[in-house]
Amino acid sequence: QSVLTQPPSVSGAPGQRVTISCTGSSSNIGAGYDVHWYQQLPGTAPKLLIYGNNNRPSGVPARFSGSKSGTSASLAITGLQAEDEADYYCQSYDNSLSATRVFGGGTKLTVL
Amino acid sequence: EVQLVESGGGVVQPGGSLRLSCPASGFTFSNYEMNWVRQAPGKGLEWISYINNIGTTIYYADSVKGRFTTSRDDAQNSLYLQMNNLRAEDTALYYCARGDSSGWYYVDIWGQGTLVTVSS
Repeated sequence: QSVLTQPPSVSGAPGQRVTISCTGSSSNIGAGYDVHWYQQLPGTAPKLLIYGNNNRPSGVPARFSGSKSGTSASLAITGLQAEDEADYYCQSYDNSLSATRVFGGGTKLTVL
Repeated sequence: EVQLVESGGGVVQPGGSLRLSCPASGFTFSNYEMNWVRQAPGKGLEWISYINNIGTTIYYADSVKGRFTTSRDDAQNSLYLQMNNLRAEDTALYYCARGDSSGWYYVDIWGQGTLVTVSS
């Protein structure tokens, strides 16, 4: 059971917009800690996609955006492309755990 | 090019030990906090350890506390994970990951991972 809750799967057709939610609690997202998102393509290491709730590292397309409100956050992908098919993980900081950094359980995005 | 390359994984019996290494290149290693993250086969990511840039603050997930030890050698630009008393549930791909330098608690660079299999 992950500290941050994500839907196991989402899907969308090419060109569509999809969102992935990430729900936390008062000891992590709700405490004001930032949310970050990673993309893991099949058979590869994770890659930073969004940091600080809504910032994109250099090279990440503007089709990817993030938001945060209360104890939840969301990743939005617009203009869905086949190469976006991957696992997506949210991550934040938790002040009640020894490991301090926590991940969501991951969401598998399928492009139909 | 910024790079992290893990090594030291392998097959080990329950109760055994392994030491993972992660040499870094392409950046000033001593300026960055580092992390170990693992991923069991077919499962999600699990943060297991953090070490600050001077090695004075180290955190562990409860799942590995007391069995795993994280260390760093800035002269060798390397991060290490000593794993003792290994269990079947420690079977995973272990990633070395660089922490951000801005205090936002994210990871900006990942290695390719090294596979640890605990099995009799």
